[in-house]
Amino acid sequence: SQQGEEDPQALSIQEGENATMNCSYKTSINNLQWYRQNSGRGLVHLILIRSNEREKHSGRLRVTLDTSKKSSSLLITASRAADTASYFCATDRGSNYKLTFGKGTLLTVNP
Amino acid sequence: DAGVIQSPRHEVTEMGQEVTLRCKPISGHDYLFWYRQTMMRGLELLIYFNNNVPIDDSGMPEDRFSAKMPNASFSTLKIQPSEPRDSAVYFCASSLGWGTSLHFGNGTRLTVT
Repeated sequence: SQQGEEDPQALSIQEGENATMNCSYKTSINNLQWYRQNSGRGLVHLILIRSNEREKHSGRLRVTLDTSKKSSSLLITASRAADTASYFCATDRGSNYKLTFGKGTLLTVNP
Repeated sequence: DAGVIQSPRHEVTEMGQEVTLRCKPISGHDYLFWYRQTMMRGLELLIYFNNNVPIDDSGMPEDRFSAKMPNASFSTLKIQPSEPRDSAVYFCASSLGWGTSLHFGNGTRLTVT
């Protein structure tokens, strides 16, 4: 069963704009991770944020976590055409190291 | 490091045939995961191993699916007999441990006709 749900399902923006994707989950988590998947390829890890953290940055990526709202957001600043991909959030919870993924947000960055 | 290696990249088979998917994890990674991805259901965790031992196989759809990890550098996912509804992309991933990132292979696209 899906633990995380990304929103929106699809997002289309112009190069240079910022892209924000959201993830909501249902039960308490240990960690939340964001991944990117280019067409026909495997997923690539972007950022991991632990339940006791509120914000993390990596280059043009900024991830926030609000455990009271059970939600996270991924912001990509100054987007590039190469950022076109599907983005997934994944969570693990409890004592079982089962990383469950949402269905993803398809981001299209138009040149 | 070559990353997680999966083979074959594509597999086309007829209903009823046995299918074996293979995975070589990153050296030193203690965890290995098998996922299945479809448009309808997204990414589903089928099974994961820790130190070659299956820990949770609750995602394995039915008895037609089996997975093994005979050593730290090799795992297989077998479907016998295969059915058209098994058509999907199957991913293998490995990680160092709890609370770390997963490293995915490029997947095996399985088509069962």
